[in-house]
Amino acid sequence: EPEVTQTPSHQVTQMGQEVILRCVPISNHLYFYWYRQILGQKVEFLVSFYNNEISEKSEIFDDQFSVERPDGSNFTLKIRSTKLEDSAMYFCASRDNTDTQYFGPGTRLTVL
Amino acid sequence: SQQGEEDPQALSIQEGENATMNCSYKTSINNLQWYRQNSGRGLVHLILIRSNEREKHSGRLRVTLDTSKKSSSLLITASRAADTASYFCATDRDGGNTPLVFGKGTRLSVIA
Repeated sequence: EPEVTQTPSHQVTQMGQEVILRCVPISNHLYFYWYRQILGQKVEFLVSFYNNEISEKSEIFDDQFSVERPDGSNFTLKIRSTKLEDSAMYFCASRDNTDTQYFGPGTRLTVL
Repeated sequence: SQQGEEDPQALSIQEGENATMNCSYKTSINNLQWYRQNSGRGLVHLILIRSNEREKHSGRLRVTLDTSKKSSSLLITASRAADTASYFCATDRDGGNTPLVFGKGTRLSVIA
């Protein structure tokens, strides 16, 4: 069964460094999303992407965040200058034509 | 803003018993989805119910939706120890193709 994959599974970085989180959505899906979950808290929406552009973003998704679909398979989330409060689990999701969103296993980002 | 809230926050039952979790939300929705999350892992999609549906089944899962009360319930019948996880409801806004808004989840423990 097709799955959303994410790499790396765990990323440790120093405050102020740039990180790129990678996702491979399910191949025939057209809508892509990034969410995050701070430890012990709710899953929160960051950004949605369709037709090679951002379709919606939350207040969390400020200028330090960007997304890109550099080729036909990858979907990336870049955090330009990480802060301690960016430490969280980051989930990528893709959506099929039944509106179901399928989530990847997540990348645990730890900012020191 | 709309918000899914699960109830109870935690539930502990014996293997073989049924588990019922509830979710409430605030605004009009297009769909409501239930997800499972094992500790520190990704979100596994369980079931999607549309706003014009009242009940849906999938294996040992039964989901109901009452749009007049803005609530949904997830019933797991004949629970197993492997069902131990956190369960989240997630709603998207009326109109479709919108991000999911998650509740805080119900932590289910099934004791063998």
